[in-house]
Amino acid sequence: DARVTQTPRHKVTEMGQEVTMRCQPILGHNTVFWYRQTMMQGLELLAYFRNRAPLDDSGMPKDRFSAEMPDATLATLKIQPSEPRDSAVYFCASGTGQSSYNEQFFGPGTRLTVL
Amino acid sequence: AQSVTQLDSHVSVSEGTPVLLRCNYSSSYSPSLFWYVQHPNKGLQLLLKYTSAATLVKGINGFEAEFKKSETSFHLTKPSAHMSDAAEYFCVVSPSGGYNKLIFGAGTRLAVHP
Repeated sequence: DARVTQTPRHKVTEMGQEVTMRCQPILGHNTVFWYRQTMMQGLELLAYFRNRAPLDDSGMPKDRFSAEMPDATLATLKIQPSEPRDSAVYFCASGTGQSSYNEQFFGPGTRLTVL
Repeated sequence: AQSVTQLDSHVSVSEGTPVLLRCNYSSSYSPSLFWYVQHPNKGLQLLLKYTSAATLVKGINGFEAEFKKSETSFHLTKPSAHMSDAAEYFCVVSPSGGYNKLIFGAGTRLAVHP
């Protein structure tokens, strides 16, 4: 049963600290997405990749957020420095990206709390 | 630009009664449409998807949705609600040529009462 995995599942940190979230997409999927979910804003697309290349990161605050895919099996989202307003659940999703018919498969999320 | 509007932020039903979650979309082209469900503290799971093959789409857990182009709607229904259906439901559109980028509605929270 192929699944998207995310680590850590929960992270509590203090303001100013660096946070790294990791995602392992489903093997064979070539598109990877990062979302942020908050009560106020709902689901927001932060960035997405196709074949490890960033296609769109316009949803990310550029000064503190960065997203990378070091290889096809790992996507990372970093926040440096973190701020209390970054507290949210961060979801990674992957897909085959071949057409708009193809759904995304979501990971369980990383719940981030910045104190 | 493509978008979706979920007409109800909260819906409350009794167990065993029908469920209707409403969604309208805006699209210049024939869209791909999805419904995702999110149970508390969980990730999102695909319920069903419309890809122009048939206007009535059946999904998991007894849910179905009907694509109505004339009404630009894609409402989600279930004949009989179960307690386990309590969750948040998202209507989603995927722009053609968008590398399966998804555009999410604001969500509808479904409560099911005994």
